Amino acid sequence: DAKTTQPNSMESNEEEPVHLPCNHSTISGTDYIHWYRQLPSQGPEYVIHGLTSNVNNRMASLAIAEDRKSSTLILHRATLRDAAVYYCILRDAGSSNTGKLIFGQGTTLQVKP
Amino acid sequence: NAGVTQTPKFQVLKTGQSMTLQCAQDMNHEYMSWYRQDPGMGLRLIHYSVGAGITDQGEVPNGYNVSRSTTEDFPLRLLSAAPSQTSVYFCASSYEVGREQYFGPGTRLTVT
Repeated sequence: DAKTTQPNSMESNEEEPVHLPCNHSTISGTDYIHWYRQLPSQGPEYVIHGLTSNVNNRMASLAIAEDRKSSTLILHRATLRDAAVYYCILRDAGSSNTGKLIFGQGTTLQVKP
Repeated sequence: NAGVTQTPKFQVLKTGQSMTLQCAQDMNHEYMSWYRQDPGMGLRLIHYSVGAGITDQGEVPNGYNVSRSTTEDFPLRLLSAAPSQTSVYFCASSYEVGREQYFGPGTRLTVT
């Protein structure tokens, strides 16, 4: 499984945009980029995923570099509820997929009022 | 929809005791899985199932058994609890393998 690298922690002010980076230089052509987040004392929550093109949904946007070696999760307007650990995960779309999500250390996002 | 539900929320066991952690989903998802999360760490896959009657091991299966007799339920059994199994256990499901996964609220287990 390809590895991802994220900063350990980031801070943001409430109502400002947040850009959470993820490096995945060994990504393969069939790897999807998934983002999950885990709020304190809760289970992980799916945020967004993409393959090559930028993606938007009601929660966030995902910007994928043209060479796919990095991506950025964008929260357009951070709220206190967005304080969580954010995980960037590569998922192989190949036939041997076990469905396993490899959770690294993630980025702990702190949102200040 | 209730989503993914887990019971109990908290459990304390003595070493050597056995118990079953319950997981149920009402979304008609084919894929279900169990993870454990130790303090300050990411989640690790214990067992998974791609459909009723089919289960397989994840990366840390030792000491745990699973079965999948129905689409809705995926119980996790601890055969003989050990202190090393003290952890938070999360169940997850998805429409099919590879799709986005929905996680339950977790069961916090302490083995003394």
